[in-house]
Amino acid sequence: NAGVMQNPRHLVRRRGQEARLRCSPMKGHSHVYWYRQLPEEGLKFMVYLQKENIIDESGMPKERFSAEFPKEGPSILRIQQVVRGDSAAYFCASQRSRSTDTQYFGPGTRLTVL
Amino acid sequence: AQTVTQSQPEMSVQEAETVTLSCTYDTSENNYYLFWYKQPPSRQMILVIRQEAYKQQNATENRFSVNFQKAAKSFSLKISDSQLGDTAMYFCAFMIMNRDDKIIFGKGTRLHILP
Repeated sequence: NAGVMQNPRHLVRRRGQEARLRCSPMKGHSHVYWYRQLPEEGLKFMVYLQKENIIDESGMPKERFSAEFPKEGPSILRIQQVVRGDSAAYFCASQRSRSTDTQYFGPGTRLTVL
Repeated sequence: AQTVTQSQPEMSVQEAETVTLSCTYDTSENNYYLFWYKQPPSRQMILVIRQEAYKQQNATENRFSVNFQKAAKSFSLKISDSQLGDTAMYFCAFMIMNRDDKIIFGKGTRLHILP
């Protein structure tokens, strides 16, 4: 059973460009979480999605950031008009069911904004 | 506010020694999970150990064990017979049950195992 997949592993963007980060959850997992890790910090929750629904986006900046988890295909975290402060590692985690299971993390995408 | 505090930013121990990483947390909830995650240089987040708050018995996983003190809101990790491969960042974290399932992480402890 493959783990959580994220791609790309590394992404370099210039200021003002768009970044798209993809996450494929583990097989049978319909809950996806995105976290951001700034340098020398712990992970911070951004958004929680189930298939076709955003359940909690309280940790995601209101502007420039959006997330989706369509019926088919991976979850996408999209950052428009990136700025240097968006440089971070972005982790996706998936979970089979609510509260009674463990979140399994992907390897992360390291975003660097030049 | 729900927070996790790891008071040791960095630690070093000799290989084969035992080391304890400290963690305290703050929440008004009664039912939650506690975790220790390991993040090696590859940056992969690896679950080391998990504890349900309603269980009094401390969780153990091979060389890893926890000391869970619910009243004190303390959740320390003990690594016995430390190995070079244990070198990593260690994050303490918790998640409220039956709520929003977001994991709250501490800032981490960087652990160096010295040969």
